[in-house]
Order: sequence, then C-alpha cells, then structure tokens
Amino acid sequence: DAGVTQSPTHLIKTRGQHVTLRCSPISGHKSVSWYQQVLGQGPQFIFQYYEKEERGRGNFPDRFSARQFPNYSSELNVNALLLGDSALYLCASLVWGEQSDTQYFGPGTRLTVL
Amino acid sequence: AQSVTQLDSHVSVSEGTPVLLRCNYSSSYSPSLFWYVQHPNKGLQLLLKYTSAATLVKGINGFEAEFKKSETSFHLTKPSAHMSDAAEYFCVVSDHYNAGKSTFGDGTTLTVKP
Repeated sequence: DAGVTQSPTHLIKTRGQHVTLRCSPISGHKSVSWYQQVLGQGPQFIFQYYEKEERGRGNFPDRFSARQFPNYSSELNVNALLLGDSALYLCASLVWGEQSDTQYFGPGTRLTVL
Repeated sequence: AQSVTQLDSHVSVSEGTPVLLRCNYSSSYSPSLFWYVQHPNKGLQLLLKYTSAATLVKGINGFEAEFKKSETSFHLTKPSAHMSDAAEYFCVVSDHYNAGKSTFGDGTTLTVKP
C-alpha cells in the first residue's frame, strides 16, 4: 500500500508569492494534518482536517489556509510568502475514530523563499 | 495544554554502547506519547508509541521507552548503538483520542562514533 504522498518535493518561491502544497493520505485514512518544520526545530502543528472540515488550527497567521477534498486529499496554501516561511512542510494522515492515535507522515515539501 | 521538553539537543555515543534520549512531557489529560526518527532529507518514521497499555514500550530497531507518570518522562533507550541510528529523534505528545494535533519536542541529534 502506498504511504502518504506529497507534491512537489521541492519548491523555490520569492517573497510575496503564493504557494500550494498537496497531500494524499493513506488509503482509508480520513484525517489529514499539516506541520511546518523550520530548520533545527521540531514540527509545529498548522491544521487538521477531517471530512472536509477544519478540526484544529495552530498558531499561524491567516496567510495560511487549507482545505480537504472528498477523496480526503488536502492542499495547504500560503499567501504573501515571507522569508520565514522557508521550511519543510509535512503532511500526516490518521484513521479518525476512538483510537486515532498514530499519525503517518509523508516525506515533506521543502519550500525555499528567496 | 500540552508540551514536550527534550532535555538534550545533541547526544554522542560510540558504536556498541547504550543510547539514552531524554524526554519530559506536560499534559492536562491522559496522553499518547510517541518517538519518531528523522534521517537526513527524509520524512518522519514512527519508532514506538505509548497509549496507556504497558508502561515499557518496545519499538523498531531495538529501541524501547518507559512511561513514568510520576516523573512525567518518556525516555528512549537502546542497549547497543549502531552507525545507522545516527539521526534526529523527536518526542511527541498528543491527545489519546486524536493524534492529529500533536506537539513535538525540539529534537535530539544522535551521533554515533565508530
């Protein structure tokens, strides 16, 4: 079975531009979460989506938005890019339910903002 | 609210000697605790998890962790380090019923010397 997939692998943008990152969860997983990992730090929670609804949001500005599609794939959008948005963006999927206790991570998208 | 403190940012051991990576957590509810490993330019791989069953948890590649509620700790150990263990390790805490909004520690870089 395929794991969590993310695209693109790498991305270079300039300040002020907009970016869209994509994630496909493991088959059967209905929840997708997004994390930002700045160099030298642990991942920080951005969003969680389940059944196309936002179920949680971390401490990130409104420039960050996301959505989930009927097939449970997800997009993360970042507007008006800043240099500080340069990071590895990780997507994680899990089974939603009483014991939804394990996330499975994709390989990430490396975003560089110049 | 929940938080994680990884007590060592860098740990260096010789091949064949024991590994100890320390983690303290704070949680207002019964938590799930995880250790993930990240090799350079790779995604996050689950090593092991604690979800209120046995307090001593066995994971992949010979790693173990012990949950100590009285000390709010979840330290990761391995009896004998291998060169391939060199990587970044993250301790993670989340709500037992939804790991999709997890809190990561800042990571511990493990170096293994020949």
